[in-house]
Order: sequence, then structure tokens, then C-alpha cells
Amino acid sequence: EVQLLESGGGLVQPGGSLRLSCAASGFTFSSYAMSWVRQAPGKGLEWVSAISGSGGSTYYADSVKGRFTISRDNSKNTLYLQMNSLRAEDTAVYYCAKVGGTMVRGVIIIGYFDYWGQGTLVTVSS
Amino acid sequence: EIVMTQSPATLSVSPGERATLSCRASQSVSSNLAWYQQKPGQAPRLLIYGASTRATGIPARFSGSGSGTEFTLTISSLQSEDFAVYYCQQYNNWPPSWTFGQGTKVEIK
Repeated sequence: EVQLLESGGGLVQPGGSLRLSCAASGFTFSSYAMSWVRQAPGKGLEWVSAISGSGGSTYYADSVKGRFTISRDNSKNTLYLQMNSLRAEDTAVYYCAKVGGTMVRGVIIIGYFDYWGQGTLVTVSS
Repeated sequence: EIVMTQSPATLSVSPGERATLSCRASQSVSSNLAWYQQKPGQAPRLLIYGASTRATGIPARFSGSGSGTEFTLTISSLQSEDFAVYYCQQYNNWPPSWTFGQGTKVEIK
């Protein structure tokens, strides 16, 4: 059974930093891209960042580029999100998600989220 | 950025009735479209990927259709557990800049 367990959320002041973790189990962690998706209170879903299975490629939404860093430790089956220069608008539940993919005409297309963690709340406020 | 627009914002349906949710992309996303269900206080759950393929364990009453810019999620006969918010998401671009629709809330009529 695939399980994703986030931790590290909490209250932080504007301009501060926080590191989120996501412990994964139930699948071969290093074989899959992983992602972070967030949801502001009462709002919709926003893709934040993704990382390849090896960790060698990383991708970010424009809203967090230059402030957030995604990484992974495949020896520990753990995904991370380092968040710096936090702003009030970063307040959200942050979900860790496994990225799914399918073969389409000989090409692997990835980008949907087939398993999600329960989320961890980050509140940026003074 | 590809903008995903869902309609309606809220859909009032009686149990046992059919629900039809729409999702439109601002440019073609081929069939690289997923649907999720989210209940209050819970994480989203994948329902459909590739526009029409049901995810593991998803009941047959959920079906997806469409390609290009117009997509539909149909729930053939609403059960009590289906009242929730539904999101579409495109994953057509690389490097990724994946985007979600704003959601459709399916409520009890």
C-alpha cells in the first residue's frame, strides 16, 4: 500500500523559512517523480514543484521559483521542500504527491498525481 | 500558462441522478487531463487520467471524455459519498507547469 506522510508544517513569520518532509512507503521511491501541491484555505489546488526520480531534475511554479527548493533522499525514501522568504500568500496545506505516468504511442507522459499524503499546514503570519 | 476553467461552480443534484461536469483548457492539452475528487478535510483522490482512464479502485459510475480543449466528467448515478469538490488538471506541458481548474462543488439538491 502506497503511503505518503508529510511533516514539518507550522506557523512562521513573513520572511522566515521552513522545511517540509514527506516519508514514502509501499513503492520503489527512486523510480518515480514526486511533487508538492498546495491548497490555500478555502481555495483550489496549485502545483508547486516536481522532482525526477533520480533527483537530477527539478521544476517549480513561477510563484515559488527562487524561494523554494525541492529535493529527495532516495536512501531514506523521503521528499523535501525547503521554503525560504515565506510570504502570507504561501499559507496553505501542502500535499506531497506521487507523479503518475502512462505510455502514449511509445512515449511516457507523466504529470498526474496518483497518490497523495494527508497534507501539512503552513501558516505565514506575524 | 494553460488556464483550466470548470463549469458550473456548483452543481445541485439529487441522489441517483446523473451529474455532468465540464472542464475547458485555454489551449489544447491533447488527452493529458486528470480529474480528482476532494471531500472536506481530506486530500484529493485521483479519479481519471488520460482524459478517460479510471484510476485503480474507482467505480464504473465515474467516466471521463474529451480531448483537446473540452472535457467532461460524468457520474452516472450519484451516491451519497460522491458529494464533494471535483478538480480537473492538465499535464500536457514540459517542462511542467501543470495547472488545475478552480473546482466544481457537487452538492445535494
